[in-house]
Amino acid sequence: DTAVSQTPKYLVTQMGNDKSIKCEQNLGHDTMYWYKQDSKKFLKIMFSYNNKELIINETVPNRFSPKSPDKAHLNLHINSLELGDSAVYFCASSPGSSYNSPLHFGNGTRLTVT
Amino acid sequence: AQTVTQSQPEMSVQEAETVTLSCTYDTSESDYYLFWYKQPPSRQMILVIRQEAYKQQNATENRFSVNFQKAAKSFSLKISDSQLGDAAMYFCAYRTTSGTYKYIFGTGTRLKVLA
Repeated sequence: DTAVSQTPKYLVTQMGNDKSIKCEQNLGHDTMYWYKQDSKKFLKIMFSYNNKELIINETVPNRFSPKSPDKAHLNLHINSLELGDSAVYFCASSPGSSYNSPLHFGNGTRLTVT
Repeated sequence: AQTVTQSQPEMSVQEAETVTLSCTYDTSESDYYLFWYKQPPSRQMILVIRQEAYKQQNATENRFSVNFQKAAKSFSLKISDSQLGDAAMYFCAYRTTSGTYKYIFGTGTRLKVLA
């Protein structure tokens, strides 16, 4: 029943490792996003895909690579993890062209890099 | 580029009282959308209320209402009859009408509700 689901919920890993976070939405939305929330609770957009096409790519290190196999899925792969990557990562979706639609968020993945 | 500012890092309110959280934004667009989200300790992001910029009437959802001042680029959230469950981080968000479908968030206000 969950509208936007992301896995895992928690991820603890060591510096230098590679990890992935998966996201799926069953709302039929065209647009999906990755946001990063740091320890000060700042929510910053990282990427956005519309119908599998990348439309937003903020100033994110190229160690972060999003992949959208279809419009219901948007995964985030992170290479060579660093301490500063520790944060909560939120996946979200919206209908895209429907301007008054809010973002629908997943429950977040807390990534801890040690 | 659009920016969203929440100047109150933290606010406190007594249970059953009213509190107003402020939000200002900067944009050159004439049409856009504004939202308030609540993030309780569970970290879930919950939509509280939304406002279309072309509507002069302020949005209301039960105990939550906004004071939207387009000329001043201000979008404050009023919570009436505050409850303990209202304690959370509150984020103001701006949604551009350009083709990127971008949502920009403020830095958040932590609301404490005192019993």
